This record gives sequence, structure tokens and C-alpha cells, in this order.
Amino acid sequence: NAGVTQTPKFQVLKTGQSMTLQCAQDMNHEYMSWYRQDPGMGLRLIHYSVGAGITDQGEVPNGYNVSRSTTEDFPLRLLSAAPSQTSVYFCASSYRLAGETQYFGPGTRLLVL
Amino acid sequence: LAKTTQPISMDSYEGQEVNITCSHNNIATNDYITWYQQFPSQGPRFIIQGYKTKVTNEVASLFIPADRKSSTLSLPRVSLSDTAVYYCLVVTGTASKLTFGTGTRLQVTL
Repeated sequence: NAGVTQTPKFQVLKTGQSMTLQCAQDMNHEYMSWYRQDPGMGLRLIHYSVGAGITDQGEVPNGYNVSRSTTEDFPLRLLSAAPSQTSVYFCASSYRLAGETQYFGPGTRLLVL
Repeated sequence: LAKTTQPISMDSYEGQEVNITCSHNNIATNDYITWYQQFPSQGPRFIIQGYKTKVTNEVASLFIPADRKSSTLSLPRVSLSDTAVYYCLVVTGTASKLTFGTGTRLQVTL
């Protein structure tokens, strides 16, 4: 199993540009989530999904969209990038619930100029 | 969600036992305690989870007193590779969200 994979590893955007961060898992996990981590800080939940077709907002959802059309994939879309969205983004998955062991991807480092 | 408090940072020498304490005064009956480890430039990794008393695995031990208002993660004989940030989380089994604090930054030196 590849586990949780994220692409790209690193991305530079200009203010106002849009992009999609990809996240995929091959463990047949129902629960998937996106976090952002700013320097020296803990992780903050952006959006999560408890299964295909179901998504909900986390702590910091503004400026981000998600969809879950398949069990495997959970892309995160930045609609109009802003410098405040410069961060490291982690995708995670677990079998069914947030309280179960979360498996994290390697992260995407995003720089918005 | 129960709020957790843990030290911002700790230093240790290689070979020592390290104990990181987390306080969670308003933990609920159905909550349990989970610890994650995060190395630089990597996503967090699950270490250990427990509800009460003591839990031990190949990586660490978790001590939880009877009142469950605190917990202690114990890392035996740390090495340089244990340098990481350690997060204590209080989790409700049916929760749809996890809340990470700022964690404890452990620095291990020779």
C-alpha cells in the first residue's frame, strides 16, 4: 500500500491564482481530512469528509473548497490564493472516524507571493 | 472538546527517559487520550492511545491516573531520532474532528 499520497510536494503561486492540492489513499478509508500547519504552530483542520459525497467544514475553511467523489480521493481547491494561505498542507485518512488512528500524507508546501 | 495543556518544549540527553505530561481537566467519560509524533517536514504519526491506567507499546508508554485529568507520555532511553514535536489529543470516539494544539517540542542532544 502507498498509504496517503499528496501532490505536488511544493508549489509557488501568485496572489489570485487558483490550484488544486491532490490527496489520495489506497486503504479504503472512509474518513479523510485536510489540515494546514503554519510555522511553529499545530495543525488546523480545514475540511473533512466522512465518506464519498459527504464533506464538512473544519476550523479554517474560508478560501478552500473540497469534494469527495470517490473513496480514494479528496482534493483541496484554493479558489483565489492569498499570501495568508502560505503554509504546509497535510491530508489524513482513517478507517471511519476522526478518533481512530489518522494516517498523514507527506504534505504539500505552498508559497503564495 | 476537552482542551489540553502541555509544555512548549523539553530538552533531553540521549539515553535518558523523557516524560511529557499533558493536562486535560475537562475530559469527558467517553474521551480517550491519543499522542502523535511529528518529525520536521513530515506529517504527524500515531504513537499511542489509552483510556486509563497504563498502556505500553514498542515505542512508548502512556500513564493515565484514575481521575484522568492528566496523562504522561514516557519515552524510554531517547535517541537523537526522537527529536520531534509530540501532540497530546483528547478524542471522543464518535467525534468528526480532531484538534491539535501546539504540542511539545522535544530536543534530544548528545
